[in-house]
Amino acid sequence: GENVEQHPSTLSVQEGDSAVIKCTYSDSASNYFPWYKQELGKRPQLIIDIRSNVGEKKDQRIAVTLNKTAKHFSLHITETQPEDSAVYFCAARPWTTGKLTFGQGTILTVHP
Amino acid sequence: DGGITQSPKYLFRKEGQNVTLSCEQNLNHDAMYWYRQDPGQGLRLIYYSQIVNDFQKGDIAEGYSVSREKKESFPLTVTSAQKNPTAFYLCASSREDSPLHFGNGTRLTVT
Repeated sequence: GENVEQHPSTLSVQEGDSAVIKCTYSDSASNYFPWYKQELGKRPQLIIDIRSNVGEKKDQRIAVTLNKTAKHFSLHITETQPEDSAVYFCAARPWTTGKLTFGQGTILTVHP
Repeated sequence: DGGITQSPKYLFRKEGQNVTLSCEQNLNHDAMYWYRQDPGQGLRLIYYSQIVNDFQKGDIAEGYSVSREKKESFPLTVTSAQKNPTAFYLCASSREDSPLHFGNGTRLTVT
């Protein structure tokens, strides 16, 4: 089955800096890659997603890149703000199973 | 997301008892999922269902059971066979090939 590895497990940045979180996946059949943000005690919320026919997608301060050959994808947050502090999860879904597998999560802390 | 309702928010049970967690959605989504989240860890898939009256085991199905008799409902039973049932349980739903929408979760404590 699909295996998703996420790094780093914790990330601390100063307000205004950029943050990058990286994920790798194992199943070449994966064609959908969402990113979720989870605040303490709350449900995960989708922040951006990308499909395998696209190499990059951007939404304001957030961007995701996908390298299908290397089987990795990354989340980029620019001009970070304290309210960006949360746990971020990447995930991958093979078209063959429809099963979404998550990475272990990254705790992002943005210091004012 | 108001379209997915999990109840109750907090649940306490004694060891050895079965307990059923409720998940209802009014989004007309075909697929529904149950994930388990432990402190400091990611989301692990317990069971998922892509259509009524059909479901598949996820990565950690042992000690759990589900049913999908109606499109709107996907209850999860945590049985006494589950060795470490205390966790945060998240239900989600989606249309085919679209993002998952999560409920607010149920925090289960077994003592």
